[in-house]
Amino acid sequence: AQSVTQLGSHVSVSEGALVLLRCNYSSSVPPYLFWYVQYPNQGLQLLLKYTTGATLVKGINGFEAEFKKSETSFHLTKPSAHMSDAAEYFCAVEGVKTSGSRLTFGEGTQLTVNP
Amino acid sequence: DAGVTQSPTHLIKTRGQQVTLRCSPISGHKSVSWYQQVLGQGPQFIFQYYEKEERGRGNFPDRFSARQFPNYSSELNVNALLLGDSALYLCASSSGIYTTQYFGPGTRLLVL
Repeated sequence: AQSVTQLGSHVSVSEGALVLLRCNYSSSVPPYLFWYVQYPNQGLQLLLKYTTGATLVKGINGFEAEFKKSETSFHLTKPSAHMSDAAEYFCAVEGVKTSGSRLTFGEGTQLTVNP
Repeated sequence: DAGVTQSPTHLIKTRGQQVTLRCSPISGHKSVSWYQQVLGQGPQFIFQYYEKEERGRGNFPDRFSARQFPNYSSELNVNALLLGDSALYLCASSSGIYTTQYFGPGTRLLVL
């Protein structure tokens, strides 16, 4: 079974500051990991994903995440926050079975960017 | 190219009623998955369909059912609605069973 824990339901940063959103996962098989962003009253938009290969993954809008197997972590970072980054962020792990796949999401982290 | 589309965008029902939600995947995608997102929580997996066959089911009661049509669009049906079914219902499409899922805008269901 897979599970995801996002540390910190709310994170507040100043515009221009580093963004760090934490995600730890549990998976019985090599995980596929994802970060999605959700703006108010909208669906989920894929930011980035890790499947295999390079452990540092670059995504859209300047975000990146690093897969650390030893720490079972997949933290999301952005060097300089912008006001438009304010949204809810979800980390997810994909559970793959012989018949199909499903995403297991964390509870989400609400990012606030202060001017 | 059009993304995943869902209809309706909003819906209000009363307890005990039935509801049907619709999803059209990205062109060329053959898999559709459904998720329920209760306010303040992360999405929860309900179903995955591929080539019109159910490929996975989450921990939801039998009141929830779905199907996929030959054109790969999908419907999610919920019978005997409860207040707790109030949520944002998200549809995601992917080209295959194990490929990246892309989400639609969701249908927001309110049960009174």
